[in-house]
Amino acid sequence: AQKVTQAQTEISVVEKEDVTLDCVYETRDTTYYLFWYKQPPSGELVFLIRRNSFDEQNEISGRYSWNFQKSTSSFNFTITASQVVDSAVYFCALSDAITSGTYKYIFGTGTRLKVLA
Amino acid sequence: EADIYQTPRYLVIGTGKKITLECSQTMGHDKMYWYQQDPGMELHLIHYSYGVNSTEKGDLSSESTVSRIRTEHFPLTLESARPSHTSQYLCASSLSSYNEQFFGPGTRLTVL
Repeated sequence: AQKVTQAQTEISVVEKEDVTLDCVYETRDTTYYLFWYKQPPSGELVFLIRRNSFDEQNEISGRYSWNFQKSTSSFNFTITASQVVDSAVYFCALSDAITSGTYKYIFGTGTRLKVLA
Repeated sequence: EADIYQTPRYLVIGTGKKITLECSQTMGHDKMYWYQQDPGMELHLIHYSYGVNSTEKGDLSSESTVSRIRTEHFPLTLESARPSHTSQYLCASSLSSYNEQFFGPGTRLTVL
């Protein structure tokens, strides 16, 4: 079964705090791809990162970092020193093969992050 | 640089009207998608296309229809709009099913 779970519906933090958004996935495939997207109040989804199942290296991009752990089927996203502009809904997504050569893409239900000044 | 466009951005119409939401991309992507989303809520896939003359229904049943006559163009049509169709409609495209999707700005539809 293919599934993405973002158990945190909403998180509120004070500016400059670190915050981690959780993403747990289920797949039967050995080859799959994980993604994070940001949806600010303007409504447009913005792609943040893509990771394939063979690359478990953690990624850092400025204040953003991602921790991919196959052992726990998790792909968590941490924002360091959060800022008000980080306030958005964040979606985790999974793409894996449902048949040979055919991939299905599913999104989690999203986590709303509110960063308070 | 992602270039995907949706028009109109906002639309308020009366019940029973026929509408077409436009989506175009200039990246030459074969894969295109339509999602329905209440603001900030879960994304629901309603249609997708793997290329010209290919269209499939998504996970969420929808009364809308789509067409894919040209690679760059993937319009969505509602023959008779109802208040239950009030939502945001997001169009996206990708190079393949396992690449990132690029999203348009969305069309916020209100049916009175």
